[in-house]
Amino acid sequence: GAVVSQHPSWVICKSGTSVKIECRSLDFQATTMFWYRQFPKQSLMLMATSNEGSKATYEQGVEKDKFLINHASLTLSTLTVTSAHPEDSSFYICSASSGTFSYEQYFGPGTRLTVT
Amino acid sequence: GENVEQHPSTLSVQEGDSAVIKCTYSDSASNYFPWYKQELGKRPQLIIDIRSNVGEKKDQRIAVTLNKTAKHFSLHITETQPEDSAVYFCAASMIGTASKLTFGTGTRLQVTL
Repeated sequence: GAVVSQHPSWVICKSGTSVKIECRSLDFQATTMFWYRQFPKQSLMLMATSNEGSKATYEQGVEKDKFLINHASLTLSTLTVTSAHPEDSSFYICSASSGTFSYEQYFGPGTRLTVT
Repeated sequence: GENVEQHPSTLSVQEGDSAVIKCTYSDSASNYFPWYKQELGKRPQLIIDIRSNVGEKKDQRIAVTLNKTAKHFSLHITETQPEDSAVYFCAASMIGTASKLTFGTGTRLQVTL
């Protein structure tokens, strides 16, 4: 149980274009989803927290207009990287939690984004 | 906000030896401390966790200790095996705030034959 999927697993896009990444909880309802970014040989940095049906909460330094997060259902959250640039190339990982007082997060397999 | 420091950044041990990774946290309100193992290009995998009402927890070759007063916690791996080679991350969060995790900087563990 507690499976989270991400799509695509990897994507290459040209500078200036937008890319959408999907995160799905397959066998549970995820009231809260998290988006992390991980640069090579670095730790996971939380970008934003999204709760179903409400606006995402972004961490300091993360541009909300550049990284659009939508959590329209209890099983799906999307991250759209708008006007991507090479510096946005990274490993993006989502995680999901089943409730405010559920402390365990279930991680997706990650999406490798390369912007050329 | 919470800040988690992790040491060492790299650790090389011989197969069969023990490995210890240490983390400190800044927010005394944090009460949940998971440890993750991440292989290259893969998702973090939860290997063990501890809540603040417990001082120690063990699962086969892996154990975690927590010192709330000093605000530090440690991962202990005994009888290391080559398949233990990976990057290990500690994290801290506060139950009741939608489990927002703050990660440490990671430790690259290499187990040599």
